[in-house]
Amino acid sequence: EDKVVQSPLSLVVHEGDTVTLNCSYEVTNFRSLLWYKQEKKAPTFLFMLTSSGIEKKSGRLSSILDKKELFSILNITATQTGDSAIYLCASGSQGNLIFGKGTKLSVKP
Amino acid sequence: DTEVTQTPKHLVMGMTNKKSLKCEQHMGHRAMYWYKQKAKKPPELMFVYSYEKLSINESVPSRFSPECPNSSLLNLHLHALQPEDSALYLCASSQFGQGALYYNSPLHFGNGTRLTVT
Repeated sequence: EDKVVQSPLSLVVHEGDTVTLNCSYEVTNFRSLLWYKQEKKAPTFLFMLTSSGIEKKSGRLSSILDKKELFSILNITATQTGDSAIYLCASGSQGNLIFGKGTKLSVKP
Repeated sequence: DTEVTQTPKHLVMGMTNKKSLKCEQHMGHRAMYWYKQKAKKPPELMFVYSYEKLSINESVPSRFSPECPNSSLLNLHLHALQPEDSALYLCASSQFGQGALYYNSPLHFGNGTRLTVT
């Protein structure tokens, strides 16, 4: 059965800290891994990763994929309170996008 | 704000009511999706329309009926729902439909409709 597992499920840090969120996956016919940020409403797209070892970066956020070990990480440096959200990892497989349960990040001032 | 627009934002309906959720995108995307999200859970796929044809139905009960009138619009018709159907219903779209490029086009989500069934 295809699955996407995220860890930790929740994380509390202070502003300025650096965090690493983890996502492992087991999907048949893997094509891509995506990261989303969800605050109160719509998940907003962060990154899509298809190739191993190539870091994608957007401001303080970066992500990388390891297709050999079947995992991805999302790094956030110099965290801010506005980074508080649920971060969802998802993998495309068999026409479906399978989501992990998410990591709830809380950034304290 | 997202480029996928969902209406209404909130909906309260009784178990005997018939209502519809609407979704619209003008990005020229050719695949549209309905997801259901319960509190503290990840989104779960319900339906996928690819090039205006239903391509995936994840064994959703018939009280949910999707409709794709054209490539920009997606509806979800609701009838005889149960209280456990209360959830956030998310619409999403992606640039490509089924095919080689399908998995390499990210989904863009709307803000959702918060549905409460009483």
